[in-house]
Amino acid sequence: AQSVTQPDIHITVSEGASLELRCNYSYGATPYLFWYVQSPGQGLQLLLKYFSGDTLVQGIKGFEAEFKRSQSSFNLRKPSVHWSDAAEYFCAVGPNQAGTALIFGKGTTLSVSS
Amino acid sequence: DAGITQSPRHKVTETGTPVTLRCHQTENHRYMYWYRQDPGHGLRLIHYSYGVKDTDKGEVSDGYSVSRSKTEDFLLTLESATSSQTSVYFCAISPGTAGNTIYFGEGSWLTVV
Repeated sequence: AQSVTQPDIHITVSEGASLELRCNYSYGATPYLFWYVQSPGQGLQLLLKYFSGDTLVQGIKGFEAEFKRSQSSFNLRKPSVHWSDAAEYFCAVGPNQAGTALIFGKGTTLSVSS
Repeated sequence: DAGITQSPRHKVTETGTPVTLRCHQTENHRYMYWYRQDPGHGLRLIHYSYGVKDTDKGEVSDGYSVSRSKTEDFLLTLESATSSQTSVYFCAISPGTAGNTIYFGEGSWLTVV
């Protein structure tokens, strides 16, 4: 069955420190992978996505993610966290069939301490 | 930002009453989705549509129905609202091309008392 696991429910990082949010997926073939961010009271905004090719993907707001097929992982990273990055982050997987809905992980809440 | 408008944005209703949430898009995308978001569950698909009058069930469709009479509008109806349907509801759209990026609306907060 297709699934997405985000092992960390809540992470606190100091401002200026590096960040890595973990995402593991289960899928029979190479999936499409996404990271979304949600600020309180807002909808979800796409940070980045992986379809094929270079396994290191650059996104908006200075985020990047690396697809590792051998580990079934798609971890999100940022070298230096800003207080405005505090939000909830969702990893999602989608099959390569046009229009099929994404499957989301349960999310990781990021808090940033000063 | 994708042109998605959800209405109402906030609603409080009583148990047993019908409720309809509306999603309107200006992108002319083929696919539209309704998700619900609950703490500890992430986002779960309720129903989706792949064209006018073409809909299908998602993971948590019980107690919900949908309709799509025009490309731009996708309605979610709770026939008889229950407290377990208190949630945040998100509409999403997708052009349906390979890669399947989905764009989300701002959400509708529904409280059933």
